[in-house]
Amino acid sequence: GAGVSQSPSNKVTEKGKDVELRCDPISGHTALYWYRQSLGQGLEFLIYFQGNSAPDKSGLPSDRFSAERTGGSVSTLTIQRTQQEDSAVYLCASSSSYFLAGVGFVYEQYFGPGTRLTVT
Amino acid sequence: GNSVTQMEGPVTLSEEAFLTINCTYTATGYPSLFWYVQYPGEGLQLLLKATKADDKGSNKGFEATYRKETTSFHLEKGSVQVSDSAVYFCALSDRKETGANNLFFGTGTRLTVIP
Repeated sequence: GAGVSQSPSNKVTEKGKDVELRCDPISGHTALYWYRQSLGQGLEFLIYFQGNSAPDKSGLPSDRFSAERTGGSVSTLTIQRTQQEDSAVYLCASSSSYFLAGVGFVYEQYFGPGTRLTVT
Repeated sequence: GNSVTQMEGPVTLSEEAFLTINCTYTATGYPSLFWYVQYPGEGLQLLLKATKADDKGSNKGFEATYRKETTSFHLEKGSVQVSDSAVYFCALSDRKETGANNLFFGTGTRLTVIP
């Protein structure tokens, strides 16, 4: 079946501009995550959505970053007034879960190809 | 807190050599452990996982055993191929009060296999 898709694949923007990144999760996955992969910081968690619950925004680096998930499916990550340190690959993942006796619920995350953001 | 420490690369091996990439973790709870792989020009793919102590995850000839006593999850393969050249990430997930199971990643180890 279709995997996680992200758009655009590449985005070059000028410092100070706003950008929107899009993620289409795997159909039926209720959990969605955004991560950032940068040279200096490695892979970092940004935000988590689960169904209609309030998102976990604990990983967002500043108030210039926000994300929403409409209708429990597509998500957009918005970065306002971009800075050069925002340059990174932004990864989206959606998650399935299953119950394993003796362990409990097990979660697996499937990643999209990422959006490479370059701020000039 | 949660963290993952991974053997730094890069690692260069000849084809058919034995591979070990070390990974140790610190976790507040009882995490699940994962190895993800990123092939050149591609996204992150789940390679294998283990959900409880002494579990062995395996896939494509790679194996890793969840060792709670040493808080380790080392990746091994008996005979690497050129097609295994990629960046390997060790990761853990531990359920938060928010319900999130976000992944904590190691820094990644770049493996290059030469013919």
